[in-house]
Parts: sequence; C-alpha cells; structure tokens
Amino acid sequence: DAGVIQSPRHEVTEMGQEVTLRCKPISGHNSLFWYRQTMMRGLELLIYFNNNVPIDDSGMPEDRFSAKMPNASFSTLKIQPSEPRDSAVYFCASSTNSNQPQHFGDGTRLSIL
Amino acid sequence: GEDVEQSLFLSVREGDSSVINCTYTDSSSTYLYWYKQEPGAGLQLLTYIFSNMDMKQDQRLTVLLNKKDKHLSLRIADTQTGDSAIYFCAESILFDNAGKSTFGDGTTLTVKP
Repeated sequence: DAGVIQSPRHEVTEMGQEVTLRCKPISGHNSLFWYRQTMMRGLELLIYFNNNVPIDDSGMPEDRFSAKMPNASFSTLKIQPSEPRDSAVYFCASSTNSNQPQHFGDGTRLSIL
Repeated sequence: GEDVEQSLFLSVREGDSSVINCTYTDSSSTYLYWYKQEPGAGLQLLTYIFSNMDMKQDQRLTVLLNKKDKHLSLRIADTQTGDSAIYFCAESILFDNAGKSTFGDGTTLTVKP
C-alpha cells in the first residue's frame, strides 16, 4: 500500500525564492497535517486540515507560510519568500480522523542558503 | 493546555530493558501514542493505548498508563541495536468532532552493543 508521499525529498535554494512542498495523503484519510522538525524546536505542528478544510493554522510561523488542500489527494505548503531560518525537515502526515494515529511521509529536507 | 514532556536521552546496553517515560497534561486525552523515528525517515506509529486502559502489551513492547498521574511509559524488553531511534510520545484529544495530537520532543534511545 502506498503511504504518504512527499516531494521533493530534498530542496536546496537561495533565500528569497519561493518554495513549494507537496504531499499526497493516504487514500481515504480525512485529515492531513503539516509539521516542521528542527534540532532547536523539535516537532512543530504548522497546520492541519479535516476534509480539505483548514482547522488550525496557529502553528504557521508567519504570513510567508501558506498551505492549501484543493482536493482530498493533494496538499501544498508554500514559503514565499524563503529565509535561512526556514531550513528544516517538513513532514506531512495523514489519518482517518484528526485524533487517530497519523501516518507520516518521509519528509522534505529543506535548506535555504 | 496541552503539554507533553519526555526526557531527551536514554542509553542502554543490548539485551537490557529500556523504559521511556512521558507526562502529559490534558486529562481529556482519548488516545496516547508512541511513535518511532529512525534516521532520515518520518515518524512511524509503534503502539497506542486508549485512555481507559492501564496497560497494553505487544510482543517486546509494554505500555503503562497512570491516568491519575498523567504518566505514560514504554518498556522495550531485550533491547536490540535496531531499536536505536527517537521515540515520541503523543496525546490525542477529541473536541467538537475534531481533534489533534500533541507530540513530546522525543527521547533519543541509544543501544550499545
């Protein structure tokens, strides 16, 4: 069975550029989560969706970050403009419902130079 | 509010038992989860316990829940070098037909041969 699929696996770009991270959740899962993981701050929930609707975006660091879920099988996380402090591993996860066990993708390792 | 705390590091010898501890604050938690993260990968659900249970055993894993003290532990029997990873505790609450999980900062388990 296909798990949560994230792309790209790695991205290196210069500050100021727009970055788009992509996620395909597991088919049939109604909830989708975006996390950021760094050594300093650990695992942080950025935003989550239920049935394609954003429920809680209080973890989004600032207006440079935006997330969309146009349909049940696709979500994006955009950073525009990117800054070096955005460097982190970004994880997408999905679950049948938002308090059920989450299935994580392998993450996107983002480096902003 | 929600807060999940874990010790950051644990080191054991191969063959010994490992006990990873976690405390949480929200008494309305419905599920408590243990996830494992190996290098370069996302978090993977290891086991979970319903909040109305005291104990759950799954092969080498034993989860103990003390709801009064809001304390959760994960015991790994006969720890192997392949168990070296970061272990995350998470509590999940349900509210208004939605919900989310709150993760601890993770405990890095090092297993020495």
